[in-house]
Amino acid sequence: AQSVTQLDSHVSVSEGTPVLLRCNYSSSYSPSLFWYVQHPNKGLQLLLKYTSAATLVKGINGFEAEFKKSETSFHLTKPSAHMSDAAEYFCVVSGRGSSNTGKLIFGQGTTLQVKP
Amino acid sequence: EPEVTQTPSHQVTQMGQEVILRCVPISNHLYFYWYRQILGQKVEFLVSFYNNEISEKSEIFDDQFSVERPDGSNFTLKIRSTKLEDSAMYFCASSVGQGLSEAFFGQGTRLTVV
Repeated sequence: AQSVTQLDSHVSVSEGTPVLLRCNYSSSYSPSLFWYVQHPNKGLQLLLKYTSAATLVKGINGFEAEFKKSETSFHLTKPSAHMSDAAEYFCVVSGRGSSNTGKLIFGQGTTLQVKP
Repeated sequence: EPEVTQTPSHQVTQMGQEVILRCVPISNHLYFYWYRQILGQKVEFLVSFYNNEISEKSEIFDDQFSVERPDGSNFTLKIRSTKLEDSAMYFCASSVGQGLSEAFFGQGTRLTVV
């Protein structure tokens, strides 16, 4: 079975400083991993995805994530936070295997606060 | 840019009443999903739908829930007799394929059962 654990429920950074949102996954299969962002009163938007190609994945708005199989991690980073990055971030896994139906399994979410 | 649209954005209903949440997926997508997020909790998978039938459902998706694609464009979630614990944000999603394909989400319907 697949699962994801987001290690921080709340992260606060100052504008212009780096962002690190941590995610660990568990999967019986080679996983597909995603980061989604949810701004207030908006739907879930895909930031980036890992699907067994390059381990360093670049996404929208300057975000990137590195897949580390040895650490079962897929942490999300950004060199310099912007006020507009304040949102809820979800680490998500989609398993492969005989029963793969595209079902996504979400982490608990991390609220990113950006202070001026 | 194509998007998944959900209506209504907010629905208030009395306990025991039936509700239908509506979604219009992206037109060339073949896989459709419903998820829900109870306030303060994680987003949970409810059901996936492909080729006019359910391909997977979670334990949450009991006999009170049903899904339908009545006219080739809409994708609906029906809750037959709502309970207080059904209060949540319900998200519809669609994708071209499964697994590796990006799922596009709607803005959600906030269901409040009173």
